[in-house]
Order: sequence, then structure tokens, then C-alpha cells
Amino acid sequence: QKEVEQNSGPLSVPEGAIASLNCTYSDRGSQSFFWYRQYSGKSPELIMSIYSNGDKEDGRFTAQLNKASQYVSLLIRDSQPSDSATYLCLAGTYKYIFGTGTRLKVLA
Amino acid sequence: DADVTQTPRNRITKTGKRIMLECSQTKGHDRMYWYRQDPGLGLRLIYYSFDVKDINKGEISDGYSVSRQAQAKFSLSLESAIPNQTALYFCATSDTPFEQFFGPGTRLTVL
Repeated sequence: QKEVEQNSGPLSVPEGAIASLNCTYSDRGSQSFFWYRQYSGKSPELIMSIYSNGDKEDGRFTAQLNKASQYVSLLIRDSQPSDSATYLCLAGTYKYIFGTGTRLKVLA
Repeated sequence: DADVTQTPRNRITKTGKRIMLECSQTKGHDRMYWYRQDPGLGLRLIYYSFDVKDINKGEISDGYSVSRQAQAKFSLSLESAIPNQTALYFCATSDTPFEQFFGPGTRLTVL
């Protein structure tokens, strides 16, 4: 079992819809989680962090954390073609383990 | 000017050659990292440093070495490059453990 798992996709959603990206992790010692966005040919950039159970909202983005079930998700509301990218999940442990990423395609 | 710079941006080399990739930052961060990215394998940590005198191995350090010359500079060396080290290499910096800022990347090809 990989320490941080993501569905590689592609996840295709129509413009204006909600995109839901999921990440599961195996290390119960992970206390914080981070979502990075990576456009094709570019470097990753941090878009969300979450440290406690529940939801955290920032504009069109909502991160959700459920430590009991060991998953973290990222919701993107009103998806735009400019959201098309690969989204990487990072579990906050000393190992710095990233998931392999989910490729999101928002269809105009 | 970019906050995190990497040189070179592209490099083609031959098996057995020594290669150095350089990273500089103007963000004033103490923490610096080297990752490689391969299709289907994601980002994997090679080495990280929390200050000039602190160097730590990451998940895949074999075949690599690093040097932290100053707070702002962190270099990655491949002592004897091999084809399976062909990858995209990223340097990153942070002032907190996980909120990292990445450089533009170096595409390395080993023939």
C-alpha cells in the first residue's frame, strides 16, 4: 500500500461543476495535509493546507479532512478551464511523501 | 526576479559523467529541498536541509549528494550519472515544514 494514494485520473468535469479530488494516507501520525497544483510543464504551487478535522474553505476551494478514515479531499466549486492541472496531495510527516497526483480536466 | 532559481534548466549528459544542479533562493528561508519527478511516480524527496549545517537524506538519496553552501544555496550532485536518473528535478524552499515554494525545475537527460 502506498503511503499517500490518489487516483491518477484524468477526472473530467464540465465547466461550472464541482470537482472532487481525493487522497488517502496510511500514516496515522500525519497531522497536516497540503494540496499543490501543478500545471503541465510547470512547478507545483501550494493552494491549500488543512490541519484539523473538518472543512477549510478558501474562495472556490474547500479542503476536507477526516483523520479517522484517513482521507483528505479537495473540492473545487464552479470549476473553470484554468483549473485544469494535476493536483498533488502531501501528507505532513518527516518523510515528505507526495501522492502521485490526480489530473483534472475542466471541459469548456 | 524569481524567488527560487535553478540552473541549468535543461541538461543532457552521458552515463558516468558528474553533474551538479544548483538552486538559489531569495526568500530568506532556512529549509531547502531537492525532489525528482518521474511520470507515474510523482514527486520524491532526495535530500533536505533545515540550515547550513543540517543535511538529511530523503526517500531516494542513493546516487546523489548535496552541498549547502549558504542559507540561499543548495546544490545537488550526481557523482556518476546513470540513465535511470533521467527525470525532472525540483528545488524547493520553506520557512515552515510543508508549505514549500518550488523552483522552475531542471530537466535532466542521461544518455
